[in-house]
Amino acid sequence: DAKTTQPNSMESNEEEPVHLPCNHSTISGTDYIHWYRQLPSQGPEYVIHGLTSNVNNRMASLAIAEDRKSSTLILHRATLRDAAVYYCILRDLKRGQAGTALIFGKGTTLSVSS
Amino acid sequence: EPEVTQTPSHQVTQMGQEVILRCVPISNHLYFYWYRQILGQKVEFLVSFYNNEISEKSEIFDDQFSVERPDGSNFTLKIRSTKLEDSAMYFCASSILQATSAHTFGSGTRLTVV
Repeated sequence: DAKTTQPNSMESNEEEPVHLPCNHSTISGTDYIHWYRQLPSQGPEYVIHGLTSNVNNRMASLAIAEDRKSSTLILHRATLRDAAVYYCILRDLKRGQAGTALIFGKGTTLSVSS
Repeated sequence: EPEVTQTPSHQVTQMGQEVILRCVPISNHLYFYWYRQILGQKVEFLVSFYNNEISEKSEIFDDQFSVERPDGSNFTLKIRSTKLEDSAMYFCASSILQATSAHTFGSGTRLTVV
């Protein structure tokens, strides 16, 4: 699986937007970009995913660079509950049934202050 | 919202004993997974399961591990002879499809081997 690079940690204030970057310079044309987060003492939670176009859902937005070598997860208004580890993960659709695993890195630990 | 349910939430076992961790995936999901997270470390993929057979497994998933879907609702992970290094959080997950769909994770079982 192609590798991703994320900052170890970021800080934010409550009710401010947060931009979490992810570099994936070796991404292939069939790699989907997935974001998960893990709140303290909980299992990972799906946030959003995309292939080429920017995506929005109720939790966040995903901005994908035109060359797809980087992406940014955007939390529009951070809350204390958004403090978590955020993981950027590439999943290769081309691998088909065998390519179902999520390969987690260390992610970015987001701290939110009130 | 549908949930993945894991039991027990915490299990303590003696080294060398067999343990079975149980999971009830979301009812219309077709793919099932086990991941583990040793304290302070990354989430690691163990195994994926589809159509009553293993579709992918990691190097961690050696002969002491096995998975089973004994009935239409449960999905189990058995560790035959536990070692101290098996102490970890074990997360079950399920998904509808493959690379494009989200995993839904359970809250985990904390396994402590003494």
